[in-house]
Amino acid sequence: RKEVEQDPGPFNVPEGATVAFNCTYSNSASQSFFWYRQDCRKEPKLLMSVYSSGNEDGRFTAQLNRASQYISLLIRDSKLSDSATYLCVVNIVGGTYKYIFGTGTRLKVLA
Amino acid sequence: SAVISQKPSRDICQRGTSLTIQCQVDSQVTMMFWYRQQPGQSLTLIATANQGSEATYESGFVIDKFPISRPNLTFSTLTVSNMSPEDSSIYLCSVEEISPRTQGEVYTFGSGTRLTVV
Repeated sequence: RKEVEQDPGPFNVPEGATVAFNCTYSNSASQSFFWYRQDCRKEPKLLMSVYSSGNEDGRFTAQLNRASQYISLLIRDSKLSDSATYLCVVNIVGGTYKYIFGTGTRLKVLA
Repeated sequence: SAVISQKPSRDICQRGTSLTIQCQVDSQVTMMFWYRQQPGQSLTLIATANQGSEATYESGFVIDKFPISRPNLTFSTLTVSNMSPEDSSIYLCSVEEISPRTQGEVYTFGSGTRLTVV
């Protein structure tokens, strides 16, 4: 099993739709979780951290499910500008402390 | 957040040559990293650049192929040595910061270097 797994997509959704992505992780001791956004030919940029209690930032909601070892990202009222690849990032505890990036989920919001 | 200047932004190189990529940060940072992102893939950590000592390399990456310098807390270089077409990739530097909003650690990336080896 990969350390961090994401559905690569693409998810093609109309403007205004609600879309959700999941990301599973294999290390039950992981403590830190993030969603990054990467536009085509650009560097990844932090979208939001994911907290145990779940957190919301405008149209974006992140959730953590420790029992099932996954995090989710919900985007409401999708905009054309939300089109990007969304990377799940998890820290790996044990040996060296480091962050593992998922392969990303590609989102296309269609007019 | 820290502002990272990474250069070159892109290059096309002949096989067998070497390319050095530079990252300059506008503030002092303790943790600095080098990643590779191959086409259609996610980011893979190459090494942690340690100030004043040898870099810490991940499995599958070695110093002879990817020598790294970190002379101070604001600057680092990654060299891709004796290049082959398989080294064609995007190389990104990254720093770890503490978010003033959340007090948690976050990663900020340079704009990347798109390398094509012919």
